[in-house]
Amino acid sequence: KQEVTQIPAALSVPEGENLVLNCSFTDSAIYNLQWFRQDPGKGLTSLLLIQSSQREQTSGRLNASLDKSSGRSTLYIAASQPGDSATYLCAAHGGSEKLVFGKGTKLTVNP
Amino acid sequence: NAGVTQTPKFQVLKTGQSMTLQCAQDMNHNSMYWYRQDPGMGLRLIYYSASEGTTDKGEVPNGYNVSRLNKREFSLRLESAAPSQTSVYFCASSKRYTDRGYTFGSGTRLTVV
Repeated sequence: KQEVTQIPAALSVPEGENLVLNCSFTDSAIYNLQWFRQDPGKGLTSLLLIQSSQREQTSGRLNASLDKSSGRSTLYIAASQPGDSATYLCAAHGGSEKLVFGKGTKLTVNP
Repeated sequence: NAGVTQTPKFQVLKTGQSMTLQCAQDMNHNSMYWYRQDPGMGLRLIYYSASEGTTDKGEVPNGYNVSRLNKREFSLRLESAAPSQTSVYFCASSKRYTDRGYTFGSGTRLTVV
């Protein structure tokens, strides 16, 4: 059974700092790994999708990496801004057609 | 805008009442899913439909039923609501074996009193 863990559960940083969010998964037989952002009381917004054959994906200040062999993914946020404050979720998509989520990292970027 | 539409956005039920949560997608996706999100528990899969005409149980199916009405629509029914079903419910869709990942609706906040 796939299990996804995110560390840390919460993170508070000053504006402008570069930061890394971590995600680990137990079953390396995945099709892809997806990072989402969730604002309080809102739905999930897809940030980046990494296919199993890829090592990383980039979108603006965000860079996500994937290391299947070690069961790890990281989301790197450069030059953080207060508007980046949200909960970040990673999810592994395996062969059972189901997306398994971590519990998220709550990020607060202080002005 | 293309995407996943959920109705209603908010609902309050009394214990024992029934209701159906509606979900529709217009992206020609094959697979659809229902998740619930609870504090400290994360998102958990209730039911999914890999393709039109099929449905399967997820991690927490007890107390729910689903119907894949057609390729676009996937509904979730609570036959006899219980306070433990108070949660935020999200519908999602994806193409099978796609490189585009999942798209989520904006959620339904359900309170059972």
